[in-house]
Amino acid sequence: AQTVTQSQPEMSVQEAETVTLSCTYDTSESDYYLFWYKQPPSRQMILVIRQEAYKQQNATENRFSVNFQKAAKSFSLKISDSQLGDAAMYFCAPRLSGAGSYQLTFGKGTKLSVIP
Amino acid sequence: GAGVSQSPRYKVAKRGQDVALRCDPISGHVSLFWYQQALGQGPEFLTYFQNEAQLDKSGLPSDRFFAERPEGSVSTLKIQRTQQEDSAVYLCASSLRDVRGNQPQHFGDGTRLSIL
Repeated sequence: AQTVTQSQPEMSVQEAETVTLSCTYDTSESDYYLFWYKQPPSRQMILVIRQEAYKQQNATENRFSVNFQKAAKSFSLKISDSQLGDAAMYFCAPRLSGAGSYQLTFGKGTKLSVIP
Repeated sequence: GAGVSQSPRYKVAKRGQDVALRCDPISGHVSLFWYQQALGQGPEFLTYFQNEAQLDKSGLPSDRFFAERPEGSVSTLKIQRTQQEDSAVYLCASSLRDVRGNQPQHFGDGTRLSIL
């Protein structure tokens, strides 16, 4: 079975500081996509950033960036200049299945707290 | 609508009752997904529709779970003879037609189902 591991159940960061959330996954495919989603207490899953596995350049989206290491099957999320609104559960979600089956496979999540 | 709409937001049922959960995707989104999120866990895939066709139902945990999308828009997830282990948040997501698996999925707020 394909697995996604987020090894940090909880993390905290001081406001305005930088934090990195880790994610590793297992797949035998070469072309796939990876997503980070944020889930605040309101429950709605919000897309944070997306990475295409065939692209060597790491994706960035304002204060959010990824460190994608394809050989190591690692996909970490860096949040710069952390804000109180960043506090939420963060889920790594590669799309690992073969062609025609496009479900996301989620990790167990990392709960991020932002300290004022 | 502006986003994915799910109803009801909360549902309490007695063990053995049947329940129906509704999802109204973003207009124009042909792909629709259902996920189950147990407390403290990441979402797990249940089933996938492309228009009215159910292309993947490999994640449905038992034959008590049934999903439909008869006109390719609104979808209903039905659970028959509910059991306590069915208690979870049920998330619906939709996306544009996804040929390469790179389309981001847009999630609703979910339905929290509690079985007494």
